[in-house]
Amino acid sequence: AQSVTQLDSQVPVFEEAPVELRCNYSSSVSVYLFWYVQYPNQGLQLLLKYLSGSTLVKGINGFEAEFNKSQTSFHLRKPSVHISDTAEYFCAVSSRGSSNTGKLIFGQGTTLQVKP
Amino acid sequence: GAVVSQHPSRVICKSGTSVKIECRSLDFQATTMFWYRQFPKQSLMLMATSNEGSKATYEQGVEKDKFLINHASLTLSTLTVTSAHPEDSSFYICSAYKQIPGTGAGGDTQYFGPGTRLTVL
Repeated sequence: AQSVTQLDSQVPVFEEAPVELRCNYSSSVSVYLFWYVQYPNQGLQLLLKYLSGSTLVKGINGFEAEFNKSQTSFHLRKPSVHISDTAEYFCAVSSRGSSNTGKLIFGQGTTLQVKP
Repeated sequence: GAVVSQHPSRVICKSGTSVKIECRSLDFQATTMFWYRQFPKQSLMLMATSNEGSKATYEQGVEKDKFLINHASLTLSTLTVTSAHPEDSSFYICSAYKQIPGTGAGGDTQYFGPGTRLTVL
């Protein structure tokens, strides 16, 4: 069984400040890791994903995330946020290898509120 | 690109009627599509996995006879909410699974549609 925990339900931050959205996961098998962003009344857009290789993954819109296997974490960061980054962010995992079905397990979501 | 569309984007219906939602992958073929349900301020809950040419696989607790899924082609999956009731009101989101050559299973990525807001009166 797999689970994803996003430690903060809401993160308020001022514009141009750095931000970190935290994600921890639990799994009995190796996983792939994803971050998605959802703007109001829209579907999800892929920000970045970790499949293998370098543990620091760069995504769109200036976001990056670091995979930490020992801490089972995949925290999302941005050095300077914009008002337009205000949205809901979801961390997700899927199983690797033969147990992969393509299913994504999502965290509860974190609302990023960027204030002027 | 990898664009997924949903139609309609918003639908209001009376209790007892059926509603069909379409999910299309516009620029790629998807043998697998997923249907999710999202309640306000909550995460996505996987309802079912839709496989082209075969029966859908439903998650535990999802009524197969109520949420009918058909995946008749490599670019189209439909979700029909039968005999809808107010408690079925929700945001329904589909995703299409795009295989990326050379990355193996799991390197594939789900691309999401914009969602359909269903309101049952």
